[in-house]
Amino acid sequence: EVQLVESGGGLVQPGRSLKLSCAASGFTYSNYVMAWVRQAPTKGLEWVASISTGGGNTYYRDSVKGRFTISRDNAKNTLYLQIDSLRSEDTATYYCAKHGGYYFDYWGQGVMVTVSS
Amino acid sequence: DIQMTQSPASLSASLEEIVTITCKASQGIDDYLSWYQQKPGKSPQLLIYDATSLADGVPSRFSGSRSGTQYSLKISRPQVDDSGIYYCLQSYSTPLTFGSGTKLEIK
Repeated sequence: EVQLVESGGGLVQPGRSLKLSCAASGFTYSNYVMAWVRQAPTKGLEWVASISTGGGNTYYRDSVKGRFTISRDNAKNTLYLQIDSLRSEDTATYYCAKHGGYYFDYWGQGVMVTVSS
Repeated sequence: DIQMTQSPASLSASLEEIVTITCKASQGIDDYLSWYQQKPGKSPQLLIYDATSLADGVPSRFSGSRSGTQYSLKISRPQVDDSGIYYCLQSYSTPLTFGSGTKLEIK
């Protein structure tokens, strides 16, 4: 059974940093592109970033470029999202998602990040 | 960026109706279009991928189609459990973009 379990969220002050983790199991993690998708409270879904199987290629939405860093550890079956210079507009539930192909076939349960002073 | 214009924003339907939700892409996306259902407090679940392929375990009352750059999700004889918010996603190019969502209520 595929499982994606996010952790690392919480309440953070503006300008601070946070690192989210996503522990993957139930599939050959190193064979799949992975992604982060977020959802602000009461809002729609927003793709944040994706990373290739080996980690050598990363893709970001413009609004997070330079502040967010997606990475992966294939030995630990874990995906990460380093978030720096947090802004109030980064407040959201962050989902880890597995690319099945050109779609997301599995999602984690989500982790909440709240940016507030 | 590719814009995905999703409609309607909300929809109420009965058990006997056929429900149709559409997403129009601002340019061609080569059928790299998927549909997701999200229930309150839950993560999204894949319904349809590559515009017309049914995801594993998804009931056959769900189907996807395309006409030009407009993609449609159809639910035939919906069940009460199909209530939720539906999103389309284009994965043709980055940034990947979702539609704005359709809130569906089945009465």
